[in-house]
Parts: sequence; C-alpha cells; structure tokens
Amino acid sequence: QKEVKQNSGPLSVPEGAIASLNCTYSDRGSQSFFWYRQYSGKSPELIMFIYSNGDKEDGRFTAQLNKASQYVSLLIRDSQPSDSATYLCAVAKPPGYGGSQGNLIFGKGTKLSVKP
Amino acid sequence: GAGVSQTPSNKVTEKGKYVELRCDPISGHTALYWYRQSLGQGPEFLIYFQGTGAADDSGLPNDRFFAVRPEGSVSTLKIQRTERGDSAVYLCATGQGPNSPLHFGNGTRLTVT
Repeated sequence: QKEVKQNSGPLSVPEGAIASLNCTYSDRGSQSFFWYRQYSGKSPELIMFIYSNGDKEDGRFTAQLNKASQYVSLLIRDSQPSDSATYLCAVAKPPGYGGSQGNLIFGKGTKLSVKP
Repeated sequence: GAGVSQTPSNKVTEKGKYVELRCDPISGHTALYWYRQSLGQGPEFLIYFQGTGAADDSGLPNDRFFAVRPEGSVSTLKIQRTERGDSAVYLCATGQGPNSPLHFGNGTRLTVT
C-alpha cells in the first residue's frame, strides 16, 4: 500500500518564526512531490512542487527533497497568521504505471497555526 | 470562468438515491480529475480523464460510481444507490495536460442521510 505520512499537528508557531512541515512517502520510485495549502472549508491550493533532490525556494517557502530518505519538507519563513491552514503533502504515482502525474497520493495534512 | 467550477456546492440526499455532481474545467484544460475528501483526511483519487476518455479509473471505490466527460470539457460524477459512507467533499481538479499542476474547484459537499 503506497503511503504518504504527515504529522497531523496542530503545529503552533509564533508570528515571524520558521514553520517546518515534514512528510515521508513509501514508494521509492516516486519522482514528483507537491505541497498544497488548504484553508478550512476551502479547496487545496498548490504552493510548491519539487522533482529533484535538494532545496527549491519560492518567496517565503522552501521545499526540500531527500529521495534516499524518502522525505519531503516545507519550510515557511517569517510565518504570518494568514499562513494558518492545513498543509497537504502529495506524491505523484511513479512514471510507467500508465497514468498521469495528477494521480496524487495525499497525506492527511498538518494543521499549522501561526500565533500573532 | 477563471477557475474550476463545481455544482452544486452542497447536496443532501437520502440513502439509496442517485446523485450527479458537475465539474466545469478551466478553459483549455484537457486533464480532469475527481477526488474525494473525507473529514480529517487528504483528498483521495477517484478518476482521471484526458480529453473525453477515462485514462485511469482505478480509484473508483465500486461500480456505484461512474463519471463521464462526453465532449472533453464538462464532467459529471454519478453515484447510484448512495450510502451514508459516500458522504464527503467531492473535488474536481484540472490541468493543462497530464503532467501539469492541478487546479482544484471548491468542491461539492455531499451528505447522505
């Protein structure tokens, strides 16, 4: 059974701090990794995607991928109260199974709370 | 419209009834996906269309669930003989192609009483 695991939280950080969200996945052949943000009662919104080992930065967000450890993380610098949401880690099924990279396996999400 | 549109936003039905959920994709997006999200869980893949054809329906839980996309644009998810366990938010997502990032609609909250 292919799995994506995240701590459910809640993770509470003070405003201005760095929030660190972590995710592990079970399928070693996975190659595409995504972070979605979901506000309560809303649909998921893509924040970052990463395909290669290492770091990928976009504004206050940095995604980190370590395929050897099957580990993906998302760092949010200078956290703001508006960052309070559930963050979903998603992994695309590996190539070769015949489908698309939109067939994602999601974790349960980590709820982040940024306190003013 | 600019985004993925799903109707209705809420649907309450009685156990055993038939329901249809509609998804209008972003114009030009050929890839369309249906996901289901239960409370406290991440979205769960149901089916993927590339154009008019269902390229991957491996996530459909059983034969009560069916989806169509006859003209390669609007899609309808159909659930027969609904059960209380079908209660969830049904999300539609589209992408420019099979390997493009997904854009989710606001979902249809289905409640089966």
